[in-house]
Amino acid sequence: DTGVSQDPRHKITKRGQNVTFRCDPISEHNRLYWYRQTLGQGPEFLTYFQNEAQLEKSRLLSDRFSAERPKGSFSTLEIQRTEQGDSAMYLCASSPPDRGMDNEQYFGPGTRLTVT
Amino acid sequence: LAKTTQPISMDSYEGQEVNITCSHNNIATNDYITWYQQFPSQGPRFIIQGYKTKVTNEVASLFIPADRKSSTLSLPRVSLSDTAVYYCLVGGVYSSASKIIFGSGTRLSIRP
Repeated sequence: DTGVSQDPRHKITKRGQNVTFRCDPISEHNRLYWYRQTLGQGPEFLTYFQNEAQLEKSRLLSDRFSAERPKGSFSTLEIQRTEQGDSAMYLCASSPPDRGMDNEQYFGPGTRLTVT
Repeated sequence: LAKTTQPISMDSYEGQEVNITCSHNNIATNDYITWYQQFPSQGPRFIIQGYKTKVTNEVASLFIPADRKSSTLSLPRVSLSDTAVYYCLVGGVYSSASKIIFGSGTRLSIRP
């Protein structure tokens, strides 16, 4: 399978704990996106990488959230001191380098986070 | 900001053609129109993309009038497996990633 993969698929954590999610994009894709999706809503943009550079961050991404893509391949999203409001599906997507933001994004299956 | 407006929900029956219209009055010259499909507990999946007139692939057709202020996704002869949420997005080569907005989408329910 050469699609976007995310790990873990499900995560249950207690409030105040830190969690880290991993995304492995399609290998030739240099663009990588993180989204958050809550029930009944569409995905909301969190952050965008081009290669290893984090070029855009949403205001939704509070200082408890940090994302990295150290070698321009896989990416991690960490949430520190989780809150119940962080419960959501976290989606990762990637797209190839040949065009801009009109290019289709390939999404992973998501990581569902539940904060108790 | 090229915001889109779509119906919240639609119902149809197996074998029917379904048309979902999206309004994007502020679409920019460089923007493309892209539609995604999302099943429960899965990430969105690209369906079709167009700039103007008509685009057709093995899954759907996309109709875009000359003024490009709206677009219509057409799903021919739907089946139960087409029950999903459909999102209309606009964005172009010069858009920023944060400006690509999914919105709440259209929840399509197909009945036997």
